[in-house]
Amino acid sequence: SAVISQKPSRDICQRGTSLTIQCQVDSQVTMMFWYRQQPGQSLTLIATANQGSEATYESGFVIDKFPISRPNLTFSTLTVSNMSPEDSSIYLCSVGDRVTLGVQYFGPGTRLTVL
Amino acid sequence: AQSVAQPEDQVNVAEGNPLTVKCTYSVSGNPYLFWYVQYPNRGLQFLLKYITGDNLVKGSYGFEAEFNKSQTSFHLKKPSALVSDSALYFCAVTPGYSSASKIIFGSGTRLSIRP
Repeated sequence: SAVISQKPSRDICQRGTSLTIQCQVDSQVTMMFWYRQQPGQSLTLIATANQGSEATYESGFVIDKFPISRPNLTFSTLTVSNMSPEDSSIYLCSVGDRVTLGVQYFGPGTRLTVL
Repeated sequence: AQSVAQPEDQVNVAEGNPLTVKCTYSVSGNPYLFWYVQYPNRGLQFLLKYITGDNLVKGSYGFEAEFNKSQTSFHLKKPSALVSDSALYFCAVTPGYSSASKIIFGSGTRLSIRP
């Protein structure tokens, strides 16, 4: 299984600012995913990030608000732009592809609070 | 529409007793089914998966799950619960060997094991 780290683990931000979350994997993976989770709730997929191509966003999420970079097979970033209190959530990255037969491995999450 | 249902928000079990966490799904074709566990302030951890073969699959920490195609269910079970099993459990499904490997998560069930 892949080992995934995220930075920062938590942050408190002011309304209108932006935060970039980093996701690092200890092995090369084709597909990386970004999720949002309210504490104690289910996960909502924001986007799928493949290396060398534009991220694919789910309904309700747009690139201007959540720009994603995927410069290589072990790293990705998610930026939460122009934040509002409604963006307060836990953001999780995960990896998984056909090699893992659909199993996804998750990072520890970034807990974001927007004041 | 494809979906996963976890009908119980919370399951309470006494330590040493058997536990069951229920999951039903609605996915076309031959789905891949998963269980994940989330401990407080942690990311999701993969427990077990069903792809094909024996309907009873065994996973981490003594958990097992039974795939029932006719009832479209994939209930999580453990013969003897431990207090340390207390966590949030998610059932998840992918619609077979899809190129996107996108996972659909259930709403989660909070498992509470009392000493």
